[in-house]
Amino acid sequence: GAVVSQHPSWVICKSGTSVKIECRSLDFQATTMFWYRQFPKQSLMLMATSNEGSKATYEQGVEKDKFLINHASLTLSTLTVTSAHPEDSSFYICSARDSPSWNTEAFFGQGTRLTVV
Amino acid sequence: QKEVEQNSGPLSVPEGAIASLNCTYSDRGSQSFFWYRQYSGKSPELIMSIYSNGDKEDGRFTAQLNKASQYVSLLIRDSQPSDSATYLCAVRGNDYKLSFGAGTTVTVRA
Repeated sequence: GAVVSQHPSWVICKSGTSVKIECRSLDFQATTMFWYRQFPKQSLMLMATSNEGSKATYEQGVEKDKFLINHASLTLSTLTVTSAHPEDSSFYICSARDSPSWNTEAFFGQGTRLTVV
Repeated sequence: QKEVEQNSGPLSVPEGAIASLNCTYSDRGSQSFFWYRQYSGKSPELIMSIYSNGDKEDGRFTAQLNKASQYVSLLIRDSQPSDSATYLCAVRGNDYKLSFGAGTTVTVRA
C-alpha cells in the first residue's frame, strides 16, 4: 500500500513554544490529507482536513489559530501546534488517500507523540 | 455528526478461538467501511475494507457488512497472541471523512 511518513515520532516541548509536525506521502500525490488527535484510551478524532493549495477545513471545536495547517505541495502537509500547553499533549496522526475515489483506503503516518511540559 | 458505535470491551479469547467484533453506524449514506488494528502507542493499521453488502474474507479475517441494518462486523479466526490489540471500526460518508468508533480491545490468551 501507499506510504505516509510522519516526523517526528515524538517530541517534548516547553509550555508556550510551538511545534511543527510533518506528514509526507512518499510514493503518491495526496491532494487531501487529514489530521487526527488521539488522547489516551480514546479513539481518533478528526481535527482538520488539509487541502493542497487552499485553506484547511477544521472540525468543530478545533482552534484554527492554534493548530496551523499548511499543505503547500501534493506530498507534504504540516501541522504546527502554536503556544503549546500541557493539555495539547496527545498523539497526533496524519492520513492521506492516494485517490479521490470513494472506495479507496486511507493510509496513516506513524503518529507523533507530543508531550508539553 | 456521524456516530460509530462498537461493542464495549475488553474482549478476551483463548488462542485459536474466534474473536467477534461488532460495529454500528448512524449515517445511512455511508459508503465505505474499514477495520483498523492499533497496537499500543502505534498508529492504526488497515486490516480490512468493505464496500458492499455481504462477506469479505482475507486470511483469518472476515468482514461482514449489512447496510440495511447499518452494521459491520469483523471475525478473527484462529486468534493468535499477536492479534491482541485495539480494533477500530471506521466509516466514511459522502464527505470523505472517516469517523472512528471508540475501539474494542482484544486480548488473546495463550
